[in-house]
Amino acid sequence: AQTVTQSQPEMSVQEAETVTLSCTYDTSESDYYLFWYKQPPSRQMILVIRQEAYKQQNATENRFSVNFQKAAKSFSLKISDSQLGDAAMYFCAYRRRTGNQFYFGTGTSLTVIP
Amino acid sequence: ETGVTQTPRHLVMGMTNKKSLKCEQHLGHNAMYWYKQSAKKPLELMFVYNFKEQTENNSVPSRFSPECPNSSHLFLHLHTLQPEDSALYLCASSQEASSGPYGYTFGSGTRLTVV
Repeated sequence: AQTVTQSQPEMSVQEAETVTLSCTYDTSESDYYLFWYKQPPSRQMILVIRQEAYKQQNATENRFSVNFQKAAKSFSLKISDSQLGDAAMYFCAYRRRTGNQFYFGTGTSLTVIP
Repeated sequence: ETGVTQTPRHLVMGMTNKKSLKCEQHLGHNAMYWYKQSAKKPLELMFVYNFKEQTENNSVPSRFSPECPNSSHLFLHLHTLQPEDSALYLCASSQEASSGPYGYTFGSGTRLTVV
């Protein structure tokens, strides 16, 4: 069974600094997708970034980038130049190449300190 | 304005009540999902609809009954719930289930409290 583990329940970062959120997953598949979602207090989950497992290049979206280590089954999220609006719960998610189900981690609560 | 709209935003119901949660999307997506979010637990997939057909029921108790009249609307009918059913219920949609690197578009959820 696929599982997603986020070992950091809470993290904090100074405004304008960089923070890295960790995620590991367990799978026997070779092709799959990985995602990071952000859930602010408004509760709506927002897609931050996605990675296709067959692509070696790490995905980047503006201040957000990932470090995808396929052999280690690790998928960390780096937030650069942190802003107050980045404060939220962040969820890592896995999805097989075919199939309906996303597997989510338990989330990391990020606090941004002014 | 989110592409996926859920109503009501908050719901308090007694264990003998019957209520319904509503989800609506106008993104042209063909797949819709119900998830349960409880504190300190991973999101739990409840139901999947693909082109209006239910394709997955993740061993959800029968006191939860989904309905998908068309690709834009999804309901979750609730009856004789238990206090442990209190949670945030999230609706999501995607272009299609089972293919492509599609992420979900989520609604803002319904915070359900069973008393």
